[in-house]
Amino acid sequence: DARVTQTPRDKVTEMGQEVTMRCQPILGHNTVFWYRQTMMQGLELLAYFRNRAPLDDSGMPKDRFSAEMPDATLATLKIQPSEPRDSAVYFCASGFWDRGGFGTEAFFGQGTRLTVV
Amino acid sequence: AQKITQTQPGMFVQEKEAVTLDCTYDTSDPSYGLFWYKQPSSGEMIFLIYQGSYDQQNATEGRYSLNFQKARKSANLVISASQLGDSAMYFCAMREVTGNQFYFGTGTSLTVIP
Repeated sequence: DARVTQTPRDKVTEMGQEVTMRCQPILGHNTVFWYRQTMMQGLELLAYFRNRAPLDDSGMPKDRFSAEMPDATLATLKIQPSEPRDSAVYFCASGFWDRGGFGTEAFFGQGTRLTVV
Repeated sequence: AQKITQTQPGMFVQEKEAVTLDCTYDTSDPSYGLFWYKQPSSGEMIFLIYQGSYDQQNATEGRYSLNFQKARKSANLVISASQLGDSAMYFCAMREVTGNQFYFGTGTSLTVIP
């Protein structure tokens, strides 16, 4: 049963610490998204990749957030330094989307619940 | 401008009744896809149904159907014979072929009453 795997599921950290969230997309998927979900803002797109290349990261605060795909099986989202306002659920999603069509829907991981104190 | 608008923050429906969750979208791209996701209290995002902009028929998946009205740019989700397990947040989403992004609405919280 193919699924997107995110680790850790829960993370509590102190303000100022570095946080790294990991995502293993579904094998064969070429598009990976990072979303942040809060009660106030809903689902915000932070960044997305196609074929491991970053296509858009305009939703990310550049001074503290960074997203990478070191290989096709791993996407990372880092926050350094973390702040209390970063507390949210971070979702990774993957799909296979061609330029000319739609392919699959986006499959979501179970999210990482981040709490910065 | 909002790409996806869901105007119903919360909805209630009696068990076994049908309910319609509204979604309107904004795009100038002739090719796009519309999606609905369910997010139960456990937090996972579950894909429900998909409609392509060129599809002639409304999409259906079991008890879910998508009422696609292209001229009005609406893609409402209809859940028939509601069940208690349908209580969740429901998100409408759109992907434009040219833009490649995946836009989500603010969601509708559905509560099914026994």
